[in-house]
Amino acid sequence: EADIYQTPRYLVIGTGKKITLECSQTMGHDKMYWYQQDPGMELHLIHYSYGVNSTEKGDLSSESTVSRIRTEHFPLTLESARPSHTSQYLCASSEVDRESNTEAFFGQGTRLTVV
Amino acid sequence: GEDVEQSLFLSVREGDSSVINCTYTDSSSTYLYWYKQEPGAGLQLLTYIFSNMDMKQDQRLTVLLNKKDKHLSLRIADTQTGDSAIYFCAESLSPGGYQKVTFGIGTKLQVIP
Repeated sequence: EADIYQTPRYLVIGTGKKITLECSQTMGHDKMYWYQQDPGMELHLIHYSYGVNSTEKGDLSSESTVSRIRTEHFPLTLESARPSHTSQYLCASSEVDRESNTEAFFGQGTRLTVV
Repeated sequence: GEDVEQSLFLSVREGDSSVINCTYTDSSSTYLYWYKQEPGAGLQLLTYIFSNMDMKQDQRLTVLLNKKDKHLSLRIADTQTGDSAIYFCAESLSPGGYQKVTFGIGTKLQVIP
């Protein structure tokens, strides 16, 4: 069972609010990722991190920001939520081993609705 | 760019075999994956196959890779109600982390008792 947790599971929030989606893993993985999945669409990578103090933008442009101050924690922040941010956000982590990227571990996801 | 395509939905009867198909566009893919997402849970790796393999079998699961047609399939033998989930196909172009992995849209498998 994966030891990666996301909170909250569901969030309904008004336009203009600042929100932070939490993601924590207890596996000591250096690499962490945030994906966005709109209904009926593919998972798209929006942010990733190689380790502490490393953050990179993914393939899909996002107005969100991330930080990586501790290995186990990779929060995602929206400074001013808009209805276009309504989506499911999935956090994942992986370790770099000799075979490189054989498995990623995913959290349960946060379903965000901005009204 | 990379693209991974899957059908949205598959319905099978309990005990039958399920075959979930996936096509990808990049012939330089090195790893191909199948992930399973049960209701209310995160994605979990089911199996993966290297691009130099044609087939991989793991208990009830059989993965077939046709590199010429860029087609990947997942066969579940003796499908059970517990197999009801969304199945994601994914491809990786190179080692170095999941930032290089492209996921499909996911196929929802419904198993009818």
